[in-house]
Amino acid sequence: GQQLNQSPQSMFIQEGEDVSMNCTSSSIFNTWLWYKQDPGEGPVLLIALYKAGELTSNGRLTAQFGITRKDSFLNISASIPSDVGIYFCAGRTNFGNEKLTFGTGTRLTIIP
Amino acid sequence: DSGVTQTPKHLITATGQRVTLRCSPRSGDLSVYWYQQSLDQGLQFLIQYYNGEERAKGNILERFSAQQFPDLHSELNLSSLELGDSALYFCASSGTLISGGDNEQFFGPGTRLTVL
Repeated sequence: GQQLNQSPQSMFIQEGEDVSMNCTSSSIFNTWLWYKQDPGEGPVLLIALYKAGELTSNGRLTAQFGITRKDSFLNISASIPSDVGIYFCAGRTNFGNEKLTFGTGTRLTIIP
Repeated sequence: DSGVTQTPKHLITATGQRVTLRCSPRSGDLSVYWYQQSLDQGLQFLIQYYNGEERAKGNILERFSAQQFPDLHSELNLSSLELGDSALYFCASSGTLISGGDNEQFFGPGTRLTVL
């Protein structure tokens, strides 16, 4: 099945550092979502983006919907231990609430 | 806690067997989605139901089927199980078919299926 390309695949950072990850697609999406998954849990919605160029924040998290509609970016500022996990982007081609196509995931690890 | 519940949490079975996974959506949500998460394929959409009716199909095998009942809970049936069916199966729910605001897909904790 189709998956969006997410990079980097993994990140090892120190507490307090800023984090950037991105997601790209060969086709256009009309909605971009960012989820976080902890071990043994389901994905938890972090940010939803609905307009090209939109920049949205949720606390220390900021995400952008790329102008081309083929990419999205997620930034985490001043990382803390609870940020550890796997981050997934997800895109939707239709405006209605239909199936999501997920990215390959970025695993974030904080080095003590 | 997303409000979406899934049972069982873990399931271990043998090849050739049939299992049923259950999902209860968030209170008031009409739409249920099933996703499969495996190491090699990532999170893949299987099927969506809306208010009891099948709405969309994704990469769902013919050996798999689902339904949504009048009380809006959903079941995913997997039959003639193969080793490759071992995966995490997630259910998500949303309020309506219009996206936006609080009406996005919220995921349950998943069912881990192991086929031996």
